[in-house]
Amino acid sequence: DAKTTQPTSMDCAEGRAANLPCNHSTISGNEYVYWYRQIHSQGPQYIIHGLKNNETNEMASLIITEDRKSSTLILPHATLRDTAVYYCIVRVVSGGDMRFGAGTRLTVKP
Amino acid sequence: SAVISQKPSRDICQRGTSLTIQCQVDSQVTMMFWYRQQPGQSLTLIATANQGSEATYESGFVIDKFPISRPNLTFSTLTVSNMSPEDSSIYLCSVGRGTGGNEQFFGPGTRLTVL
Repeated sequence: DAKTTQPTSMDCAEGRAANLPCNHSTISGNEYVYWYRQIHSQGPQYIIHGLKNNETNEMASLIITEDRKSSTLILPHATLRDTAVYYCIVRVVSGGDMRFGAGTRLTVKP
Repeated sequence: SAVISQKPSRDICQRGTSLTIQCQVDSQVTMMFWYRQQPGQSLTLIATANQGSEATYESGFVIDKFPISRPNLTFSTLTVSNMSPEDSSIYLCSVGRGTGGNEQFFGPGTRLTVL
């Protein structure tokens, strides 16, 4: 599976959009981009995934660049409850388990 | 989504003892996994629990230390054997749903402290 690079930490003001970047320059054509988050003391929570097109669901939007070498997870109106570690994972759709990196610690501030 | 429960939610154990962690899913799933999360660290895959056959372990993890059972498609156990303080971690069960386990859902975790 391709390796991902994320900033160690980010801050965001409550009510503003949180934009979390992820670099995956060695991604293969059959690999998807997945995002999970882990709120303190809980198991990771699935957020969204995509292949090449931008995706949106009730939690977030995923923007993947045309060359697929990077992506951005967007939380449109961050709340204090969005404070968590966010993981960007790249893997093939039949890859079974998820391989977690260090992730980005997002702190939403009042 | 899948509803996953783990027992116990936390435990404090003595060095040299063993603890068995249970993972129960509310529906049949093909893929089940066990992860470890050491303090302040990310998740590390221990093994894939295979129904009806031996688990598939990742590098650095062995069956004698982390025996796993998967008697059916909704249940699995992980045993942490002959524990030492270095085994103090959160242990998480996860299941894969959809094509190739496209979406993974995680249990709440078991917080283990070894004295």
